[in-house]
Amino acid sequence: AAGVIQSPRHLIKEKRETATLKCYPIPRHDTVYWYQQGPGQDPQFLISFYEKMQSDKGSIPDRFSAQQFSDYHSELNMSSLELGDSALYFCASSGGLEWNEQFFGPGTRLTVL
Amino acid sequence: AQTVTQSQPEMSVQEAETVTLSCTYDTSESDYYLFWYKQPPSRQMILVIRQEAYKQQNATENRFSVNFQKAAKSFSLKISDSQLGDAAMYFCAYRRDNQGGKLIFGQGTELSVKP
Repeated sequence: AAGVIQSPRHLIKEKRETATLKCYPIPRHDTVYWYQQGPGQDPQFLISFYEKMQSDKGSIPDRFSAQQFSDYHSELNMSSLELGDSALYFCASSGGLEWNEQFFGPGTRLTVL
Repeated sequence: AQTVTQSQPEMSVQEAETVTLSCTYDTSESDYYLFWYKQPPSRQMILVIRQEAYKQQNATENRFSVNFQKAAKSFSLKISDSQLGDAAMYFCAYRRDNQGGKLIFGQGTELSVKP
């Protein structure tokens, strides 16, 4: 079965640079979620989209922005990167008969040097 | 605001034995969902089991079962016949009953399985 795809899987950036993370949900899923998991931490919710509209917002820094496109894929844009942004970023999706479960992608590991 | 608490940072179990991981939560909502996720060393988040708050019957998935006590706001995970592959970080999570609702995770419990 198709799963959530995230790209890139690994990303290394310098401080103050910009990063773009991409997420391709499971086919026919209309909702996308972004989570940030720091080292030794539990995942923290950043933002979600349902039918291309923002549906919920968590502790996402103003330096971060995200959107969901017409094909339901989503991008998380991160600017002015800081050392503390180094983390594992998960995308999850839900929809259709699976509306009440979130299926997670493998994550993008971002390292800021 | 809703919170999820896992008071056991680490647990250990002998292979083939049974272990119970604890989770408590706080909410004023009456309808919600509770989950247990497993995160092995690969860091992939894997759904283990789900419980709907409106269901009185405890969920079961093969060797995994929950003890859901709604009044006490408690949601423990029991793993029977533990296997080496069960070794992982386990996260308890809460979600409101709404479209696009976020998951709120507990701090996690690191489970080790001894051969």
